[in-house]
Amino acid sequence: DAGVTQSPTHLIKTRGQQVTLRCSPKSGHDTVSWYQQALGQGPQFIFQYYEEEERQRGNFPDRFSGHQFPNYSSELNVNALLLGDSALYLCASSRWKQETQYFGPGTRLLVL
Amino acid sequence: AQSVTQPDIHITVSEGASLELRCNYSYGATPYLFWYVQSPGQGLQLLLKYFSGDTLVQGIKGFEAEFKRSQSSFNLRKPSVHWSDAAEYFCAVGATGNQFYFGTGTSLTVIP
Repeated sequence: DAGVTQSPTHLIKTRGQQVTLRCSPKSGHDTVSWYQQALGQGPQFIFQYYEEEERQRGNFPDRFSGHQFPNYSSELNVNALLLGDSALYLCASSRWKQETQYFGPGTRLLVL
Repeated sequence: AQSVTQPDIHITVSEGASLELRCNYSYGATPYLFWYVQSPGQGLQLLLKYFSGDTLVQGIKGFEAEFKRSQSSFNLRKPSVHWSDAAEYFCAVGATGNQFYFGTGTSLTVIP
């Protein structure tokens, strides 16, 4: 049973560029949440997707957007990258209205 | 406002010694509480969770945690620490369908 997978594992971009990160949820899960973890900090909630719709959103600007596909996989898009967007981006999956979230290994983004 | 506080940024213990990591939360409703562990460069692994019932919960790797409503605490304990326990530990609070709020983490060093 595959767990949560994310791609790519590492990414280097320059300021102003755009990036797309991908996540495949754990088998049987239909809900995907995205978190940003800056160095030395705890994860911060970006948004959550269920039934291909954004259901909840944290305190992140509109430069951060997402999408969920019919197979429940998800993408996180960040436009106009800033140096401060450098972080580990974590995807977590769960079943809708189930409390426990399972995390993927993350994508480490470095913005130069 | 919902929040999680982990007062200890860094803890050092000797191998074989006992361990207690502190977590205090602020949440308007009955919380769901979680402890996750993160090894360097890795995602988050679920150690244990509390939803209701017995306030002492057992998790993986010999960890346990106790929920104390009167103190708004959910401290993580282990009777005998192993060198492989060295990692970053995160406490999180959440509710059904809602986002998780994470603490800033406690870094554990284990010395021989």
